[in-house]
This record gives sequence, structure tokens and C-alpha cells, in this order.
Amino acid sequence: QQQVKQSPQSLIVQKGGISIINCAYENTAFDYFPWYQQFPGKGPALLIAIRPDVSEKKEGRFTISFNKSAKQFSLHIMDSQPGDSATYFCAASMNYGQNFVFGPGTRLSVLP
Amino acid sequence: GAVVSQHPSWVICKSGTSVKIECRSLDFQATTMFWYRQFPKQSLMLMATSNEGSKATYEQGVEKDKFLINHASLTLSTLTVTSAHPEDSSFYICSARDRAGTSRDEQFFGPGTRLTVL
Repeated sequence: QQQVKQSPQSLIVQKGGISIINCAYENTAFDYFPWYQQFPGKGPALLIAIRPDVSEKKEGRFTISFNKSAKQFSLHIMDSQPGDSATYFCAASMNYGQNFVFGPGTRLSVLP
Repeated sequence: GAVVSQHPSWVICKSGTSVKIECRSLDFQATTMFWYRQFPKQSLMLMATSNEGSKATYEQGVEKDKFLINHASLTLSTLTVTSAHPEDSSFYICSARDRAGTSRDEQFFGPGTRLTVL
């Protein structure tokens, strides 16, 4: 129940395209859903996060869509750029950051 | 704001030696710090949760005598890998929660420490 599933494992997108990464969870006690971007040899950096009381959140080119009934959430990267090429992790936590769980990650490659 | 640093950024040591990794919150006080381990092309695995002034809570399967964690102040936590062996080679990442921040859920991650045990 603590698991967060993530797909696809890898994704190749043309420059200017939309990158979509999906995550699913089981534990309905999760109340915070962040997305992290990680470049090789670096720590993860927070991109955007959402709570279950909101169905969508947008920050620049990044949008989270959240479906509480389906227990799914997704990251959309609009106008994808080669600089977006990185590994993306979804995560979930509860009770002010307790039980923090990462998804397995998606390696995104944006072709120039 | 909300910067977390780690030192060293990489370390190479001989098998059997101990290695200490420091994690500091530079511009905020962190009541709770977390230590993760990441193998190549894999996700982050939580090793332990460290609260200032108390003993760390280790995840199942993590040897507490092997990975010693000390959280002596609100801005510093250390991870000591004792009697390191080649299988301990990994990328170790810490994170911290800002107790006074607007989002008490958010974790701020350090840049990671690459440990190689020969």
C-alpha cells in the first residue's frame, strides 16, 4: 500500500512536444504529491506539487493533473526542450511529509 | 532559500574503513532530515529518518550499526558508513524539512554524495 507506481519507464519526445508521465498510488492517506527532476549525479529538485483537494496545478510549462477517485496523478511538460532531458520521479507522502515514497522514475529524452 | 548541502560530494575509500557524510541546511532549521540511497538508474530508497536530538528511525532492512546517523543540531545531520565494503558503494542523498516553512510537507534535497568503496 506504500507503493507508488510510475509509467513509462522511459520516454522519448521531440522538441516542442508534450511529455506525459503517469503515477498511481493505493494508500488514500497520502495527501501530498510532488514531482522531482533529477539530472545525473545530482540530487532531486522539486518541480511542482499538488494536494488532493485540487484537480490540476500549473506552473509554467509543468502541469499536474490529479484524479482522486482513480488514485492517479500525472505530470505534463508542455513545449518540451532538450534541457528537460532528465529522470523524473513522482512521490507521495502523508502527515506533513511522513512516509515519503518515490516512484521508480521515468527517464525523459527530448530530441532536438 | 531552502538550500541543503552535502559534504563531501564524492569519496573513495578502502574496504573496512569508515566514511562520514555531512548534510547541512544552510538557510533554515530542519527538525527532520532524511537519508536516501540511490543505485544507478534506480529510484531513491529511504534509509532513515533523523529528528534533531533523538535517535534515528531506520527503514526495514537497513542496518543501524552499519549506517550511523547523528542529528546533533537543527542544521546538521551526519551519516557514517562503518566498515565500508564494495557493496556499500552508492549515491547517498539527504533531504531536510523546513519546520518554519509554508509547506511542512516539502523536502529539500542535497546534491548527493557518491561513495566508492574499493
